Parts: sequence; structure tokens; C-alpha cells
Amino acid sequence: NAGVTQTPKFRVLKTGQSMTLLCAQDMNHEYMYWYRQDPGMGLRLIHYSVGEGTTAKGEVPDGYNVSRLKKQNFLLGLESAAPSQTSVYFCASSSGGGDTQYFGPGTRLTVL
Amino acid sequence: LAKTTQPISMDSYEGQEVNITCSHNNIATNDYITWYQQFPSQGPRFIIQGYKTKVTNEVASLFIPADRKSSTLSLPRVSLSDTAVYYCLSLDSNYQLIWGAGTKLIIKP
Repeated sequence: NAGVTQTPKFRVLKTGQSMTLLCAQDMNHEYMYWYRQDPGMGLRLIHYSVGEGTTAKGEVPDGYNVSRLKKQNFLLGLESAAPSQTSVYFCASSSGGGDTQYFGPGTRLTVL
Repeated sequence: LAKTTQPISMDSYEGQEVNITCSHNNIATNDYITWYQQFPSQGPRFIIQGYKTKVTNEVASLFIPADRKSSTLSLPRVSLSDTAVYYCLSLDSNYQLIWGAGTKLIIKP
């Protein structure tokens, strides 16, 4: 089992460009999450999903959109990137809301 | 507003026992408290999870009092490789995820 994988690992964008980050899990988990982690800081929840076809806002959703068309995939989109979105993005999945979360390796995004 | 508080940083020495405590206000009455470990440039990984009293696994123990307003992660006989950031996670009364800000643990030889 690969667990949770994230694509790409690194990306550099110019202000105003758009991109999509892909998260995939092979554990048949219902819940999936997108977090951002700024240097030296903790995790902040962007959006999450409690099942295929559902999405919900987390603590810092502005500037991001998500989709969960398939149970195993959770996509995070940036429509118009801003330097403030420079961060490391982590995806995670879990069986339920309070259950153990399994994290991907992260995507390091720089917006110039 | 639900909030979880944990120390920003701690230092200890190899072979010592380290205890890190999170304070949980407005915690959900019937869900788990979970602790994670994060090394630089990696995603957090699960250490231990409990509901109440004491839980022990091969790497740590977790103590949760009856009122569940705090939780203490105990790392026995730490080594240099335990240097990392440790996070606690719980659900608030609205079942929203509440992460602590993380405790940076530095183990010295």
C-alpha cells in the first residue's frame, strides 16, 4: 500500500497563475483533508471532505477550492495564486472524524 | 471558542523521560485525543491515541484525566532521534478538529 501520495512534490508559480494539487489514498478512507503549514508554524485546515462528492470549509479556505469526485482522490485548486499562499501543503486521510490521520509527504509551493 | 494549548518548546537529555501536556478547553465528550510527531520536511505521523485514563504502546504513553481537559504524552528514555515537533489533536464540542500549535522537543546528548 502506498498510503497517501501527493503530486507534485515541488512547484513554483507566478502571482495570478493557477494550479491543482492532487492527493490520492489507497486505504478506502472516507475522510480527507488539506492543510497548509507555513515555516515554523503548525497545521491549518483548508478544506476537508467526509465522503465522495462532499466538501467543507476549514479554518483558512479563502483562495482555495476543492473537489472529491472519487473516494480515493482529493484535489486542491488555487485559481489565482498569491505570494501569501507560499507554504507546504499536506493532505491526510482517515476512517472517521476523530480517527488517526495518515499524512502525505507534502507539496512545497512557492508563489513569486 | 475551542482552543488547545501546549508548550512551544522543551529541552531534555538522552535517556530521560519527557512529558508534554496539552490543555483542551471545550473538548468533545466522547472522542479521541491523538498525538502526532513531525520531523522536518515530512508529514506528521501518528504516535498514540486515547479516550481516557492511560494508554501505552511501544513508543509512548498517554495520560488523560477523567475530566479530559488535558492530556500528557510521555516519552520514556528519549534519544536524539526523538527530536521533533509534537502535536496534539482533539475534537471540540462541535466535532471540529482542534490542533495544538506544536511543541518543539530538542534532545541533547
